[in-house]
Amino acid sequence: EPEVTQTPSHQVTQMGQEVILRCVPISNHLYFYWYRQILGQKVEFLVSFYNNEISEKSEIFDDQFSVERPDGSNFTLKIRSTKLEDSAMYFCASSLTSEGWTGELFFGEGSRLTVL
Amino acid sequence: RKEVEQDPGPFNVPEGATVAFNCTYSNSASQSFFWYRQDCRKEPKLLMSVYSSGNEDGRFTAQLNRASQYISLLIRDSKLSDSATYLCVVNRVSGTYKYIFGTGTRLKVLA
Repeated sequence: EPEVTQTPSHQVTQMGQEVILRCVPISNHLYFYWYRQILGQKVEFLVSFYNNEISEKSEIFDDQFSVERPDGSNFTLKIRSTKLEDSAMYFCASSLTSEGWTGELFFGEGSRLTVL
Repeated sequence: RKEVEQDPGPFNVPEGATVAFNCTYSNSASQSFFWYRQDCRKEPKLLMSVYSSGNEDGRFTAQLNRASQYISLLIRDSKLSDSATYLCVVNRVSGTYKYIFGTGTRLKVLA
């Protein structure tokens, strides 16, 4: 069964460091997403990506965040200068969605980021 | 008002019980609705999509009431393995496709 894969599964970093989280969405999916879940809290939307550009982003997704699809398969989330409050589980997701129809979101297993 | 609201629970029920969760959404333009299940520290996984006419999958029944803007999930004959957090997810189409998550409802099925 096709799946979304994420690396690393866990990353520990020092405050102020840059972090790149990687995702390989399901190959025929068109929409890609990053979500964040702080421990014990809800799943929060960060950004959606379609046709090689950001289609929507939340208030959380400020200038320290960026996304890229550098090579047609990987989808990355970069956090430029990490803060303590960036500690969370980051989920990548993809969906096969077209005009007038929305499919389910498929999630990767997540990348746990710990900022010290 | 939050876009998607759920009672966080926890709901503690004995094995074999029937339990129901509700979820309300604020945006009447919402188009697609889902229930996801999330186990502790794991990724959300689709439990079922919710269709206008209501739908059933084994012990699980989902209903949608567009007029009142709520979605429900009924679990019959609860099993220990049903213990998890149930997430209501609403897809809002506004030029983009954005999936909004509720806070989730925690269910604990007790032996």
